[in-house]
Amino acid sequence: GNSVTQMEGPVTLSEKAFLTINCTYTATGYPSLFWYVQYPGEGLQLLLKATKADDKGSNKGFEATYRKETTSFHLEKGSVQVSDSAVYFCALGSEYGNKLVFGAGTILRVKS
Amino acid sequence: DTEVTQTPKHLVMGMTNKKSLKCEQHMGHRAMYWYKQKAKKPPELMFVYSYEKLSINESVPSRFSPECPNSSLLNLHLHALQPEDSALYLCASSQQGMGQPQHFGDGTRLSIL
Repeated sequence: GNSVTQMEGPVTLSEKAFLTINCTYTATGYPSLFWYVQYPGEGLQLLLKATKADDKGSNKGFEATYRKETTSFHLEKGSVQVSDSAVYFCALGSEYGNKLVFGAGTILRVKS
Repeated sequence: DTEVTQTPKHLVMGMTNKKSLKCEQHMGHRAMYWYKQKAKKPPELMFVYSYEKLSINESVPSRFSPECPNSSLLNLHLHALQPEDSALYLCASSQQGMGQPQHFGDGTRLSIL
C-alpha cells in the first residue's frame, strides 16, 4: 500500500541555518505530494504541493521537488527563522478517492 | 486565519455525556473529513463525506457518529466516550477529485474525564 517515510526528529537548528527534511514515499501510480505544517495549538496548514514528477512546490521560502526517480519530496529552506519552529508532515494524496497518507511528522526547533 | 471553523476549541466531558463537535466551511468544497490526532502523531482519518454522503468510515467505534446536514456543515456527535478518546479532533475540507489538498481547521481539544 501507499506509505510515507520522514526523517526522525527533532531537528534543532540555529536561526539562518539551512533546513532539509527528508521525505520518501511508496505508491502506485502518480500521487500528488504535500507538505503540511502544524504550529503549536493549531491545525495543519498546507505549506506546498506538487502534482506531477519534476514539479517544484514553493511557499514562504520553503521548496520541495517531486522526484519520481528517487520517490522523494524533500523539504528545504535556505535560512530558517525562530517562527518556523513547528511540526512538518509530508503527505501523499491517493490516486483514488480523497485519502491522504501522512508521514510520522518531524519536529523542527529553531534557536535564536 | 483558517477557512475551516471548528467549535468548540476545547471540550471537557464525562464518559456518560453527549456532546457534539461542529465544523463549517464556505469554500464550496464538497468533500469533508474528520480526523483524530494524538500528541506528536499524524492525524488519523475517521470519516469522509462526499457530496453530503458518508463515503469512508475507517472502522470508527459507534460512540462517534458523524452527520453532514448540508454542504457547508459537518458535525461529530459524541456519546459514552472513553478516556483514550481524549485527543485533538480536526475537520478538513477539499475539492473533489484526485490530488486535491485538504484544508484543516484548528481543531477541538477533547478531554474525557
